[in-house]
Amino acid sequence: SAVISQKPSRDICQRGTSLTIQCQVDSQVTMMFWYRQQPGQSLTLIATANQGSEATYESGFVIDKFPISRPNLTFSTLTVSNMSPEDSSIYLCSVSSEVTKNIQYFGAGTRLSVL
Amino acid sequence: RKEVEQDPGPFNVPEGATVAFNCTYSNSASQSFFWYRQDCRKEPKLLMSVYSSGNEDGRFTAQLNRASQYISLLIRDSKLSDSATYLCVVGMGGFKTIFGAGTRLFVKA
Repeated sequence: SAVISQKPSRDICQRGTSLTIQCQVDSQVTMMFWYRQQPGQSLTLIATANQGSEATYESGFVIDKFPISRPNLTFSTLTVSNMSPEDSSIYLCSVSSEVTKNIQYFGAGTRLSVL
Repeated sequence: RKEVEQDPGPFNVPEGATVAFNCTYSNSASQSFFWYRQDCRKEPKLLMSVYSSGNEDGRFTAQLNRASQYISLLIRDSKLSDSATYLCVVGMGGFKTIFGAGTRLFVKA
């Protein structure tokens, strides 16, 4: 399985500001995914990032609010823009490869609190 | 109807008990099936894949019934360390993967 480093592990931010979360993998992967999870709740997929193309966003999530970069096969960023307290959540990146397809491996997550 | 449905629990069981979790999926075209485990304040981690023939990994047994679109996970001789949320996961082909909301398990001494 891939080793995934996600930074920052936690942050406290002021409303109206933006935070960029980084996800670094120790090997090349095909797909990278960004999820949001409220404590005690289920995972919600934000978007899927394929290297070399625009990210694909799920219903209810838009690029202006959650811009994503995927510059190469081992790295992606998610930005949470113009934050409000409703954006307080855990943000998780995950990866999958051509070999593992539907098996996703997750980073440790970023715990975000917006004041 | 949700694409993957699980009993949210919580299941509260004593150490040594046997506990079973069930999961149903709605899309008959689903191709691959997994159980993940998520500890409190941690990320989800793959527990095991699920095959039609059934598969076992130590105290854990997973079963798949494609006709009924039903997946199960059996944990025998529960340990305190088994306390976690268990996620039923269905692969749709390509890279599309659907995560269930999870079933919470508390194992008590």
